[in-house]
Amino acid sequence: SSELTQPPSVSVSPGQTASITCSGDQVGDHFISWYQQKPGQSPVLVIYQDKKRPSEIPERFSASNAGNTATLTISGTQAVDEADYYCQAWDSGAYVFGTGTTVTVL
Amino acid sequence: QVHLQESGPGLVRPSETLSLTCTVSGGAITNHFWSWIRQPPGKGLEWIGHFFYTGSTNSNPSLKTRVTISVDTSKNQFSLKLTSVTAADTAVYYCARSLTHSGHPMGIWGQGTVVTVSS
Repeated sequence: SSELTQPPSVSVSPGQTASITCSGDQVGDHFISWYQQKPGQSPVLVIYQDKKRPSEIPERFSASNAGNTATLTISGTQAVDEADYYCQAWDSGAYVFGTGTTVTVL
Repeated sequence: QVHLQESGPGLVRPSETLSLTCTVSGGAITNHFWSWIRQPPGKGLEWIGHFFYTGSTNSNPSLKTRVTISVDTSKNQFSLKLTSVTAADTAVYYCARSLTHSGHPMGIWGQGTVVTVSS
């Protein structure tokens, strides 16, 4: 899983569902984390171990990972969810970040 | 509550060595992966390297020949040295600590420090 590819951008209407994919060779064999980054801020962990949420992260964030694709889903998207999102894998003792996706809430 | 703070020069001359320190407060440098990550202006996150508290280190293959990560447990700090810098090394540099979960997610991040490489 040396390269993780994400769509550059995803647009979503408020209240709708946004899905962000993270594609890589056999990515399902690795634990995936997801990070949210707002402009001028440090990244924040929103998903770890494929689908677990830190306690402070809203339930509308969920994720899955199988085969060659991991997916982050934001249900009932809110304006505050507008940010860049990065997937990340742990592969053979090294971290690999995805290319990043900008989520725009229109 | 563990807090990380990066520090170091904001301007480095081309061909020189970039040196940054991450100071850990609220806890000791123990059983976690302690990482350096960078983000060039307008671009994505890039993992630079990490060390584990036992002393083992690893770094991004694209930077391996230029990167040294070290730790000073007496000061509760760890450091990054990146040699022979060019304009391409201009970025926000973050330090981060993993959580004790499978996959070692980076659960704690510093606020980041801007480093510009320019003469």
